Amino acid sequence: GAVVSQHPSWVICKSGTSVKIECRSLDFQATTMFWYRQFPKQSLMLMATSNEGSKATYEQGVEKDKFLINHASLTLSTLTVTSAHPEDSSFYICSARDGQGRYYGYTFGSGTRLTVV
Amino acid sequence: GQQLNQSPQSMFIQEGEDVSMNCTSSSIFNTWLWYKQEPGEGPVLLIALYKAGELTSNGRLTAQFGITRKDSFLNISASIPSDVGIYFCAGPPQKLVFGQGTRLTINP
Repeated sequence: GAVVSQHPSWVICKSGTSVKIECRSLDFQATTMFWYRQFPKQSLMLMATSNEGSKATYEQGVEKDKFLINHASLTLSTLTVTSAHPEDSSFYICSARDGQGRYYGYTFGSGTRLTVV
Repeated sequence: GQQLNQSPQSMFIQEGEDVSMNCTSSSIFNTWLWYKQEPGEGPVLLIALYKAGELTSNGRLTAQFGITRKDSFLNISASIPSDVGIYFCAGPPQKLVFGQGTRLTINP
């Protein structure tokens, strides 16, 4: 089955630094990937849609200059949290949809726990 | 935008009991997805529903796509400890929107 690998699984960084999170589709090509943020005991909130070869589409209220998304290949999307602050601490999860666009093709990574100190 | 209302938000049950949760949408969906999330992990797809009225099972799990296409139900029969987790409904079409989740706790 489809596998999505997310790295790192956890990261601790200092305020003001930047952190990059990788999302890879291991056995399929993903023309579209999605980035979610999840705060404790809350649901997943879509941050942005990452499209291979084009600019990401951000949800309302998400700062595109703070959360930089790059989808340079059909198997890799990256999310960079720039100038991180403690309020950016959260669980970030990516999802990929296979090139055929099947709805059941939404596969999730295992998430990245970001802690900004 | 689309909103999904999921209930109940939490459930505390005894092992062996059946569980029922539902999800309603403010708009019509063409597909309903049910996911389970365990602590520190991403969601895992349990059941996908593709047409109104559809009833689909996956082991002890059964989900139904409501006739109005604005709701869906998930039932778990004879719950076991490994059923503990957070269950989310979600809908496309183009990007997933998640319900608030139902946190299931099971007392042995």
